[in-house]
Amino acid sequence: GAGVSQSPSNKVTEKGKDVELRCDPISGHTALYWYRQSLGQGLEFLIYFQGNSAPDKSGLPSDRFSAERTGGSVSTLTIQRTQQEDSAVYLCASSGDPRDTQYFGPGTRLTVL
Amino acid sequence: AQKITQTQPGMFVQEKEAVTLDCTYDTSDPSYGLFWYKQPSSGEMIFLIYQGSYDQQNATEGRYSLNFQKARKSANLVISASQLGDSAMYFCAMRERQTGANNLFFGTGTRLTVIP
Repeated sequence: GAGVSQSPSNKVTEKGKDVELRCDPISGHTALYWYRQSLGQGLEFLIYFQGNSAPDKSGLPSDRFSAERTGGSVSTLTIQRTQQEDSAVYLCASSGDPRDTQYFGPGTRLTVL
Repeated sequence: AQKITQTQPGMFVQEKEAVTLDCTYDTSDPSYGLFWYKQPSSGEMIFLIYQGSYDQQNATEGRYSLNFQKARKSANLVISASQLGDSAMYFCAMRERQTGANNLFFGTGTRLTVIP
């Protein structure tokens, strides 16, 4: 497909479990972003990858959150020991044009029971 | 201070009419980009239009235009000839270029409802 893809589309987990969310960016895009969208906090930046550079982790809310990007393409966002406040939609975006327009995937809706 | 402010939580517009969604921004960076995204009930963020801080002309993309008033730090989205499919959340966002921030800062959004 031509767009950003994310999986799973929905994830329900129990408090304390670890979850992995996957993002497949648009082919050729060197920049990849993770955001979180929740009712109380709106859209929050989490982490940014650019090529082979060290990621910008300034938006990660706690050390339970981590992300990696393998081979400059697919990215995985991992949340360890999930808490109820982690319930949100996790959006991935990629960009590759000079204006840095970010193109978003459909998101993963995470529900922590 | 909020970097992006959208003061209209909800807006209604009659089908085929034009509507303006407000956005003001706050930055000291002389180089920045402004974006508008549409988020239908399906949840996906759809890019609509971009305006660079040094662009001389207001951006237009089909029925979307951006009323960019740099001195007032406003970047309002104008949708002409509204359609039922325009009903969605609309987010204004900004990326600063020189400060080193790599992410978009988003407003809280405006929910637009198009009335038939």
